[in-house]
Formats: sequence, structure tokens, C-alpha cells
Amino acid sequence: NAGVTQTPKFRVLKTGQSMTLLCAQDMNHEYMYWYRQDPGMGLRLIHYSVGEGTTAKGEVPDGYNVSRLKKQNFLLGLESAAPSQTSVYFCASSPNTGELFFGEGSRLTVL
Amino acid sequence: GESVGLHLPTLSVQEGDNSIINCAYSNSASDYFIWYKQESGKGPQFIIDIRSNMDKRQGQRVTVLLNKTVKHLSLQIAATQPGDSAVYFCAENGSGGYNKLIFGAGTRLAVHP
Repeated sequence: NAGVTQTPKFRVLKTGQSMTLLCAQDMNHEYMYWYRQDPGMGLRLIHYSVGEGTTAKGEVPDGYNVSRLKKQNFLLGLESAAPSQTSVYFCASSPNTGELFFGEGSRLTVL
Repeated sequence: GESVGLHLPTLSVQEGDNSIINCAYSNSASDYFIWYKQESGKGPQFIIDIRSNMDKRQGQRVTVLLNKTVKHLSLQIAATQPGDSAVYFCAENGSGGYNKLIFGAGTRLAVHP
């Protein structure tokens, strides 16, 4: 039981490049989330999903897209990366109530 | 807007002492609160949670207190150990549903021998 797994763990991009972060959970959770964490700040919600095939915007969705084609996977995409998207990205999953289970994070640097 | 904040950005304690980390929340509609611990380079780890129908909840060496009147949450750690050194976040579920958590900025706990 691996919990929540994020890939890649580290990535460096140039401005304008695109990339996708993959999140996989093996707990059969309905809900999945993508947060970003910037220095000295708490986690801010980018997008979330309440079930396969559904996605919704969070607090800071601009510049990101997501997809949930399979229940266990939640993808976060950057179509044209900007330096302001340099951050640590955390994926989480949860049953419909209770705690969120977090992955170990993906550190993204945009030059 | 909804927000969760902390009174102290850094807390230094001696090993063996009790630690208290405070948190203020702003959304009266929140009915679920949770504390996470985050060690350097890792993801947040669940510590303890509490629902709004409770004032206090205890775990192993940790206690969470909820004061709905003043919208205040606290985490108490008994007999603090060096392994407790980390950043601690409080979070609330706000009013939007779907278990979306709103996080505070975090408090760094430094435990000195």
C-alpha cells in the first residue's frame, strides 16, 4: 500500500515549456487535490476532483489544467510554464470526509 | 474571505517541555479542523483532527482544543521531543464542501536539547 505517489519528484523547466505532474493513489479514494506550497506560506488549492471524470477549480487555478480519467490518477498540467509557477506541488486524496493523505511533493523550478 | 492564521511563526522549546501552537480561523461555517506536521522535504502528515461538535480531542501526546466562540484552535504537544521539530499547519474545511482544506501559514517548532 503505497498511499499517494507523485512523479516526478524534481523538474526544471524553461519559461514557456509544458509539463505534466502525475499523482496516483491506491486507497480507492473518491476525492483528489492538487496544492502548491510557496516559501513561508501554507498550501493553496489549485484544482480538485470529486470523482472520475470530474474536476473543479480551487483557489489558484490560473495557468494549470487537470484531468481525472481514472479514479486512481489525477494529472496536473502546465501548458506554458512561468517563473511564478516555481513551487512545491502536493497531491492529496481523501474519502468523502476526514483527513487528506498527501504525497511527498514535486519540486518544480521554472527558469 | 476564508482564512486560517497562526499567532506565532516560530516556537522554540526545550526537550521535555510542553508545546502549544495556536491558530485562528475566520469561517464560522467550518465544522472540521485538522493539524498536520511537515518535516523538511516531506509531505504533510496527519496529527489529529476535531469536529465542531467537540471542544477537545486527545491523541498520543497531542491534544487539540477548539474554541468556537473566538474561532481559535490549538495543538498541545506533551513532553516535546527532538523528533517533533517540524512545521505545523492547522487547516479548516471552510464552507465549500468536498473536504477542501484551507491551510494556515504554519508554525515552525524547534526543540532544543
